[in-house]
Amino acid sequence: EDQVTQSPEALRLQEGESSSLNCSYTVSGLRGLFWYRQDPGKGPEFLFTLYSAGEEKEKERLKATLTKKESFLHITAPKPEDSATYLCAVQPRRSGNTPLVFGKGTRLSVIA
Amino acid sequence: DTGVSQDPRHKITKRGQNVTFRCDPISEHNRLYWYRQTLGQGPEFLTYFQNEAQLEKSRLLSDRFSAERPKGSFSTLEIQRTEQGDSAMYLCASSLQRQGREKLFFGSGTQLSVL
Repeated sequence: EDQVTQSPEALRLQEGESSSLNCSYTVSGLRGLFWYRQDPGKGPEFLFTLYSAGEEKEKERLKATLTKKESFLHITAPKPEDSATYLCAVQPRRSGNTPLVFGKGTRLSVIA
Repeated sequence: DTGVSQDPRHKITKRGQNVTFRCDPISEHNRLYWYRQTLGQGPEFLTYFQNEAQLEKSRLLSDRFSAERPKGSFSTLEIQRTEQGDSAMYLCASSLQRQGREKLFFGSGTQLSVL
């Protein structure tokens, strides 16, 4: 069964304190791995898609990396506005379309 | 910027009532997804459409749930005889599939509370 596990469940950082969020996955072939940001009461906002091991993508203070078993979302010098839940999702590689399978997310709080 | 639009944002209903939610996807997107999310959990897949055809339904989708996408445009999700366990955020997402790759863009969701 396809599974996504995110850690830690919650993370509290001081402003400027860099850290990483982890997403471990088990799938029978990976079509893509997705990172989303979700603010309270809102839908997930797309951040990145990674397709193959070794791939990296960056956007402002965020950098996502991918290996064959996990992905990391690195946050450099975070600001309070980076506080949100970060969701990881995988799209398994099978014939036909395969919906995204999400993890439970990491709740990030950045304190000024 | 015309993103994915969902209506209503919030719905409070009594157990046993029927409710219907609407989703307007990004206009050029051919795929439309419904997901459900409860507090502290990630979104769970319910069903999806490619154009007007409903191609897959999750085992989570009981026979009290029905979804339509007439003419491949907007979609509706109806829940009949609501139960307290149906309380959740219902998320709609749309995507344009190209060369086996797609990005899902989500709406803000409809928060359903069943009393």
